Amino acid sequence: ETGVTQSPTHLIKTRGQQVTLRCSSQSGHNTVSWYQQALGQGPQFIFQYYREEENGRGNFPPRFSGLQFPNYSSELNVNALELDDSALYLCASSSRGGGREQETQYFGPGTRLLVL
Amino acid sequence: GQSLEQPSEVTAVEGAIVQINCTYQTSGFYGLSWYQQHDGGAPTFLSYNALDGLEETGRFSSFLSRSDSYGYLLLQELQMKDSASYFCAVRDGGTGGFKTIFGAGTRLFVKA
Repeated sequence: ETGVTQSPTHLIKTRGQQVTLRCSSQSGHNTVSWYQQALGQGPQFIFQYYREEENGRGNFPPRFSGLQFPNYSSELNVNALELDDSALYLCASSSRGGGREQETQYFGPGTRLLVL
Repeated sequence: GQSLEQPSEVTAVEGAIVQINCTYQTSGFYGLSWYQQHDGGAPTFLSYNALDGLEETGRFSSFLSRSDSYGYLLLQELQMKDSASYFCAVRDGGTGGFKTIFGAGTRLFVKA
């Protein structure tokens, strides 16, 4: 069973640029969620995708957008980067089986983004 | 709005028992989860409670009281490797679709 993978592991961008982060779900999982985690804080929910459709979104501006592909891999795109976007970006996959199975999220190692 | 409160830090000795509390406020509650995160690592799932009561998984147990909007994680026979951050998280199905809201985390220090 292949775990959740993310790329790249680290990224440095300048303010105003755009970035795309990628996530491959764990085998058999059809739901992907993206989180932003600042140092010393809990993960902040950005959005969730189920079968290529966004079905939940946190309090993030529209410049944070995403995609989920037919193989359930996913992308997070951030436009017009700001200094405060510097954080660890985590994706997590889960199965839409309901109950504990649905709530068990498997996290990838994250992408650490630094905006200068 | 949605919010979760948990202590910022807890210190305990090896072999002891520690309880990490979590109170929550959400608009559409589905369940309470707990995650462990070591420094530099990714969160890993520990437990999930949808109904009132205690769930036991090895050395870890989790409790939920929906009427009190309260839960806790109980760690028994503490080991040095349990030193990590612990997050409670709620599944919320209110406006805007499904969301998973995490607390700010409790940093557990286990001393020899």
